[in-house]
Amino acid sequence: NAGVTQTPKFQVLKTGQSMTLQCAQDMNHNSMYWYRQDPGMGLRLIYYSASEGTTDKGEVPNGYNVSRLNKREFSLRLESAAPSQTSVYFCASSEAQRPAASEQYFGPGTRLTVT
Amino acid sequence: GENVEQHPSTLSVQEGDSAVIKCTYSDSASNYFPWYKQELGKRPQLIIDIRSNVGEKKDQRIAVTLNKTAKHFSLHITETQPEDSAVYFCAASKQGFQKLVFGTGTRLLVSP
Repeated sequence: NAGVTQTPKFQVLKTGQSMTLQCAQDMNHNSMYWYRQDPGMGLRLIYYSASEGTTDKGEVPNGYNVSRLNKREFSLRLESAAPSQTSVYFCASSEAQRPAASEQYFGPGTRLTVT
Repeated sequence: GENVEQHPSTLSVQEGDSAVIKCTYSDSASNYFPWYKQELGKRPQLIIDIRSNVGEKKDQRIAVTLNKTAKHFSLHITETQPEDSAVYFCAASKQGFQKLVFGTGTRLLVSP
């Protein structure tokens, strides 16, 4: 099992450019998440998908869009990148069967720099 | 919404000492409290978690305690080793919701 995989590992964008971060999991998990990690800020939830076909905003959704392509894949799109979006992005997944929350498994991260 | 505060932001100990990291949460409906460890340049990984129907949980050198009345929970690491050096994050979640709210992290440095 590869677990949670993310591409690319590193990316440099110019202000105004767009890009899509890809995430896939092979654990048959229902729920998937996108976080950003900034120094001193911890992990902040951008968007999540509780199950295939649904997506919801997290704490910091502005400037991002997501697509739950199928049960395995959850992508994050930056339509017009800004320097404030320079960060490390983590994708995660969990089985999260209601009513109890469960462990989230993280991908290796994507380090994005916007100049 | 939920707010999780974590202290201290940095913690330096000598090998063999104990380390304690504390978190407080704001939403009394929260009932799941995991702790994640993140080594430098790596992904966060779950090390221990506790649910609100339990006051304490241990796993070898690691323990977590929960005080629902005061709305705080703590991570205790005994007999620290250099490989315990990492950033530790606490988090909180409500039953039936898959969203975790994370604290801002504690950088633990264990010196030989």
